[in-house]
Amino acid sequence: DGGITQSPKYLFRKEGQNVTLSCEQNLNHDAMYWYRQDPGQGLRLIYYSQIVNDFQKGDIAEGYSVSREKKESFPLTVTSAQKNPTAFYLCASSRPGQGKGYTFGSGTRLTVV
Amino acid sequence: SQQGEEDPQALSIQEGENATMNCSYKTSINNLQWYRQNSGRGLVHLILIRSNEREKHSGRLRVTLDTSKKSSSLLITASRAADTASYFCATDSGDYKLSFGAGTTVTVRA
Repeated sequence: DGGITQSPKYLFRKEGQNVTLSCEQNLNHDAMYWYRQDPGQGLRLIYYSQIVNDFQKGDIAEGYSVSREKKESFPLTVTSAQKNPTAFYLCASSRPGQGKGYTFGSGTRLTVV
Repeated sequence: SQQGEEDPQALSIQEGENATMNCSYKTSINNLQWYRQNSGRGLVHLILIRSNEREKHSGRLRVTLDTSKKSSSLLITASRAADTASYFCATDSGDYKLSFGAGTTVTVRA
């Protein structure tokens, strides 16, 4: 079955560390997205990518970095510059222009310890 | 930036009742989408309505769109315990990314 896989499900980060969240899809979708969700709030866009080797900043890109070397993969690195990284991170993919919605992964919950 | 705003923030209903939630947005859109999120999980796409459509149905879901008022509503009929979740509207303004509202938390009591 096609889908989108995020790993790990839970991640703990020490102060000053960089951590990388994985997102892989086998849906042959061109576009991929990273969102951050804080408790009781909606989703805020961190980065998105329409094609391989290209990506754009979303609304809250500071302290995060991404790469898109393969169509299937869009990893997110939370750097030490992100001062409040504790949140639920969601990856999604889509095929723009098809009139269909996003497919989401099951999320990674990041906690700073 | 978050364009959509859902109302109410929370809703509690008895099993078998209908649940209605609303979404307002600020700028013109290509389409509006509704998603469901169970606690601690990813979002699931429910339904998409294009800007030139006024109403759409999918199973027990009914979505309306009023572009003149920049608003949409989601109706869940004959609710079940499994409908307990948060529901989000998301707008596509043609800039290749969705903007999500803060969601409506629906609790269906047995």
